[in-house]
Amino acid sequence: EAGVVQSPRYKIIEKKQPVAFWCNPISGHNTLYWYLQNLGQGPELLIRYENEEAVDDSQLPKDRFSAERLKGVDSTLKIQPAELGDSAVYLCASSSGGLNEQFFGPGTRLTVL
Amino acid sequence: RKEVEQDPGPFNVPEGATVAFNCTYSNSASQSFFWYRQDCRKEPKLLMSVYSSGNEDGRFTAQLNRASQYISLLIRDSKLSDSATYLCVVNPSTGGFKTIFGAGTRLFVKA
Repeated sequence: EAGVVQSPRYKIIEKKQPVAFWCNPISGHNTLYWYLQNLGQGPELLIRYENEEAVDDSQLPKDRFSAERLKGVDSTLKIQPAELGDSAVYLCASSSGGLNEQFFGPGTRLTVL
Repeated sequence: RKEVEQDPGPFNVPEGATVAFNCTYSNSASQSFFWYRQDCRKEPKLLMSVYSSGNEDGRFTAQLNRASQYISLLIRDSKLSDSATYLCVVNPSTGGFKTIFGAGTRLFVKA
């Protein structure tokens, strides 16, 4: 069974440019998470979806970040415009329910120059 | 105070040693608890859930102390392959399932 798929794996952009990350969760997993992880820190939740509904986006900086999961399957996270401080690893995870084990994708390592 | 706190370490132990990590949480209403393992430049993976009565999986034992609001992870007979960062995870009950990760504890097991 395929795990959580993310692309791209690496992205280097200049500040003020837009960037988008894509995630395809494990088949059948209704819950999808986007996290941001800085070096030496644990993942920080940006947004959680239950099917196509964003049920927790309180930590998403909405002035520049947006996310969508239109059909309740794959999801896209966008940053526009990117800032230097956005350099981090963006992790996508999915689970079969809110309190169940989360399976993580390999992440997208973003560098903003 | 952070919602979930861990000693960042690093813990440097020889092979065969026993090592223990603690993780404190601030929300007394927290419902579920986990330990995840993260290797360098890799994604986190579930190591084990933490049950109220404590649970064991091979060389690993997890315990929950609700009165003092902490969870613990004990690793016996450490192996070189145990070298990783161990993240504790807490799901508070208020506001829905908002998963909170600790910053992680780094473990180095040396030959």
